[in-house]
Amino acid sequence: KNQVEQSPQSLIILEGKNCTLQCNYTVSPFSNLRWYKQDTGRGPVSLTIMTFSENTKSNGRYTATLDADTKQSSLHITASQLSDSASYICVVSKTDSWGKFQFGAGTQVVVTP
Amino acid sequence: EAQVTQNPRYLITVTGKKLTVTCSQNMNHEYMSWYRQDPGLGLRQIYYSMNVEVTDKGDVPEGYKVSRKEKRNFPLILESPSPNQTSLYFCASRPLRGRTDTQYFGPGTRLTVL
Repeated sequence: KNQVEQSPQSLIILEGKNCTLQCNYTVSPFSNLRWYKQDTGRGPVSLTIMTFSENTKSNGRYTATLDADTKQSSLHITASQLSDSASYICVVSKTDSWGKFQFGAGTQVVVTP
Repeated sequence: EAQVTQNPRYLITVTGKKLTVTCSQNMNHEYMSWYRQDPGLGLRQIYYSMNVEVTDKGDVPEGYKVSRKEKRNFPLILESPSPNQTSLYFCASRPLRGRTDTQYFGPGTRLTVL
């Protein structure tokens, strides 16, 4: 069973609207959680990184939250643009391993005019 | 320009024919890693390297080999490719200054094994 679950699998939103993506994880012991944006056919690009002690991190119109107690994270996209159409991937790493990462399957976001 | 490069970008081969996918980074990063991405499964880690001559298995290492003889290069070797290794492969690198250092991904290699 995947230790990082993302929802929804996909969503369609109108340009200018907001949306929120969810990530639930069971990875333990928890070190940090990252959100990546992956455009079709390209490598993922880092959006935010949060450690255990951080509960909010922003990068422009992207805001990530983390609740380490409930093992949940969300990525909020504000005032979506057509260029936000991409897959958004949640990635969790453990404190006892600097080298291994657990990836969620991603949420495919389509922004329509 | 700081980047991770992969070659080839596209490859079609036949079962059993040995192949190598190269990965190179120009950022002097200690850490490098290989992933495969399949529809519905997301990215899965194949192998990673914390430094020269130091490699370790990820979650799906079967059927793959790696080597890290130089800091900048981390080739992925498929000794006897099979159709279930058809996938999109990504190489990545990052510094090891701290746990939250960003991982930089290459552009991907789309491999088809017939």
